[in-house]
Amino acid sequence: EDKVVQSPLSLVVHEGDTVTLNCSYEVTNFRSLLWYKQEKKAPTFLFMLTSSGIEKKSGRLSSILDKKELFSILNITATQTGDSAVYLCAVEAHVWGGSEKLVFGKGTKLTVNP
Amino acid sequence: SQTIHQWPATLVQPVGSPLSLECTVEGTSNPNLYWYRQAAGRGLQLLFYSVGIGQISSEVPQNLSASRPQDRQFILSSKKLLLSDSGFYLCAWSTRGRPTYEQYFGPGTRLTVT
Repeated sequence: EDKVVQSPLSLVVHEGDTVTLNCSYEVTNFRSLLWYKQEKKAPTFLFMLTSSGIEKKSGRLSSILDKKELFSILNITATQTGDSAVYLCAVEAHVWGGSEKLVFGKGTKLTVNP
Repeated sequence: SQTIHQWPATLVQPVGSPLSLECTVEGTSNPNLYWYRQAAGRGLQLLFYSVGIGQISSEVPQNLSASRPQDRQFILSSKKLLLSDSGFYLCAWSTRGRPTYEQYFGPGTRLTVT
């Protein structure tokens, strides 16, 4: 059974702190790993990772994938209150018929206090 | 431009009552369609996905069913709701042939079963 495990499940920090969110996976027919940010309703896409060791960066957020150890981390530096959200990790896997599906983890709820 | 609609936005239903949630997509043809559920404190769980009219794949055995009567319409149903069906239901679409991570989520329906 495909699964994605995120840790920690929740995290409370102060503004300016740096956080690291973890995601490990066991998926057959791995295609890519994705990070989303969910603030209130629909998740918004952050990163897509397919190759090991190549860091993706967007402002204060960065992410890297280790396909040998089957995990990814999402780093947020100099956190701000606007970073408070649930961060979802998902793995894209091939399924029958040539289509793909996303398998999501439970998410990490990040709270950044002023 | 493409838009995705879901309704209703919120719903409170008694145990044992039927359910029908509707999702429609505008501005695209032959989309892949997905139904996800997010229970409190949980990640997104893929319930159903569809690659075409009448083609539905179920990911998790449950008392829910899905139908795709038209190309851009996806319906989630239940004959008798359970308390455990409470959650946030998200519909999403992606373009056939495009990466699955390029999924666009609807605004969601928050279902409370009492």
